[in-house]
Amino acid sequence: DVKVTQSSRYLVKRTGEKVFLECVQDMDHENMFWYRQDPGLGLRLIYFSYDVKMKEKGDIPEGYSVSREKKERFSLILESASTNQTSMYLCASSTRGAVLPLHFGNGTRLTVT
Amino acid sequence: RKEVEQDPGPFNVPEGATVAFNCTYSNSASQSFFWYRQDCRKEPKLLMSVYSSGNEDGRFTAQLNRASQYISLLIRDSKLSDSATYLCVVNGDNFNKFYFGSGTKLNVKP
Repeated sequence: DVKVTQSSRYLVKRTGEKVFLECVQDMDHENMFWYRQDPGLGLRLIYFSYDVKMKEKGDIPEGYSVSREKKERFSLILESASTNQTSMYLCASSTRGAVLPLHFGNGTRLTVT
Repeated sequence: RKEVEQDPGPFNVPEGATVAFNCTYSNSASQSFFWYRQDCRKEPKLLMSVYSSGNEDGRFTAQLNRASQYISLLIRDSKLSDSATYLCVVNGDNFNKFYFGSGTKLNVKP
């Protein structure tokens, strides 16, 4: 079974802090994704990566950056956390080509105060 | 226009009922289609892939209609445990990208 592991289940940070969310997958998937999910807005793509050191902006990249130094690890960075970044963050991975489905981590619920 | 659209519901049905959800997509080049189930405050989990010929998994049947650009999910003999939000997922032009519907909420009542 594919396993996608997010480093924290719940996180509370203060406004202005730099926040790192880590995600690791164990299935050698080329593609990795970061989404955020908010009530009424569904899942929105922040960034995705289709290879080591490669990244592409999703629909809402502002205020975020990412890092993919190793194939299995994809990090989401909030450069200066703000209260409107309070959300559920979901990491996912898939094989190249999106023919096979996404596999999600169990999510990080981030609260910025 | 959104890439993927779903009726948000909620659909409130009694146990044992049959319920169907539809999902429309805008990109005629999409090749991969999936239904995910998401429980409250949990991550989405794959329920089933949707194939051109349609496919069935126990009480669940998924259909694809390319001409009208929609996919459907039919749940027969609903159980209380089927209560969840059902997400429709479609890939885009860039086959590395996925698009999500906003989800359809199902409540199965005793």
